[in-house]
Amino acid sequence: QKEVEQNSGPLSVPEGAIASLNCTYSDRVSQSFFWYRQYSGKSPELIMSIYSNGDKEDGRFTAQLNKASQYVSLLIRDSQPSDSATYLCAVMDTGRRALTFGSGTRLQVQP
Amino acid sequence: SAVISQKPSRDICQRGTSLTIQCQVDSQVTMMFWYRQQPGQSLTLIATANQGSEATYESGFVIDKFPISRPNLTFSTLTVSNMSPEDSSIYLCSGGQQTVTEAFFGQGTRLTVV
Repeated sequence: QKEVEQNSGPLSVPEGAIASLNCTYSDRVSQSFFWYRQYSGKSPELIMSIYSNGDKEDGRFTAQLNKASQYVSLLIRDSQPSDSATYLCAVMDTGRRALTFGSGTRLQVQP
Repeated sequence: SAVISQKPSRDICQRGTSLTIQCQVDSQVTMMFWYRQQPGQSLTLIATANQGSEATYESGFVIDKFPISRPNLTFSTLTVSNMSPEDSSIYLCSGGQQTVTEAFFGQGTRLTVV
């Protein structure tokens, strides 16, 4: 059974701070990793994908992947109240292309 | 990225009835999936919709309860059959290409069974 683990939160950070979201996965052969943002009542929105060890930056977002430790993280710099949402970590099954999701971390950015 | 449209966006249904959800993609996609998100939970894969053949269901989901069709590369339907209150969830369609790993979601169908 493939598992993706996230701390459910809520993670509360002040506006302008760095928010750090973490995720671990159980399937060592996984190759593709994603972070989705989901606002309440809305569908998930893809914000980052990462496939290789190391960091990948896109604007205020940085995804970090460590395959040896089976660990993925998302850093949000200069957090804004509009970043308040649930962040879902997802791992792709290479063969089927289906996603296994973590339970999500709720982020609250305090003005 | 592909734009994925789902209909209906929400519905309230009587127990024992069935609801068919439609998923339309604005371009041909290789892969289509159906997920369920129960209240306060994350997304769980129901099945992979295969074009021209029977869907591939995940453990805990069966064809009699969730029949799926996929007549072409841009369209799929999911039926929730003989509904009970436990089926109250958001149902999400997802699509992607075989050669591109990113997957995108429709806006979801919020189903309430009373």
